[in-house]
Amino acid sequence: DQQVKQNSPSLSVQEGRISILNCDYTNSMFDYFLWYKKYPAEGPTFLISISSIKDKNEDGRFTVFLNKSAKHLSLHIVPSQPGDSAVYFCAARGYGGSQGNLIFGKGTKLSVKP
Amino acid sequence: GAGVSQSPSNKVTEKGKDVELRCDPISGHTALYWYRQSLGQGLEFLIYFQGNSAPDKSGLPSDRFSAERTGGSVSTLTIQRTQQEDSAVYLCASSLRTTNEKLFFGSGTQLSVL
Repeated sequence: DQQVKQNSPSLSVQEGRISILNCDYTNSMFDYFLWYKKYPAEGPTFLISISSIKDKNEDGRFTVFLNKSAKHLSLHIVPSQPGDSAVYFCAARGYGGSQGNLIFGKGTKLSVKP
Repeated sequence: GAGVSQSPSNKVTEKGKDVELRCDPISGHTALYWYRQSLGQGLEFLIYFQGNSAPDKSGLPSDRFSAERTGGSVSTLTIQRTQQEDSAVYLCASSLRTTNEKLFFGSGTQLSVL
């Protein structure tokens, strides 16, 4: 039973446009959400995070939105660049960090076309 | 070292053989995690070490899997009597402390069981 779901396995966007990656979760006890980015043959790298007490966090071209009532978060990338092409993983952490691990979704492969 | 180092980067083995995968975490990081990513799947938690505490082994898929962390630093993941379904990328990550959600991942070991 997946607790973190990324229902779109892939997304294709034109350079300069907005990329929106979505993530749904089922456990209301998650208190922290993160996005990781992964290039082929490399490990995932941390991109941006958001605490459950916030509904938005912005870092440059990247913004994460959290809708707790819907148990939904999204990552917006604007403007999208070809170098953003990668697999993006949504992850969630249990309440108070009591879980010694993050729970990851299956990832969404983003392709940004020039 | 500057980052999390994993070896080997690729491992091809025959069904029934044992394999050992190694992880060198970032110096000073007290938490170490093993994940794996099977084809088309997300990152699956395997095991987590925090300092001298007993490891959280809740993600290990069977008793053929084991891991140890010597001296609070280097970790070895051992898979005994490998099966074809063990084929995956095995990723190691470390973090500064348990409640630090920012994990730093290695590039992984691609394990292929023939």
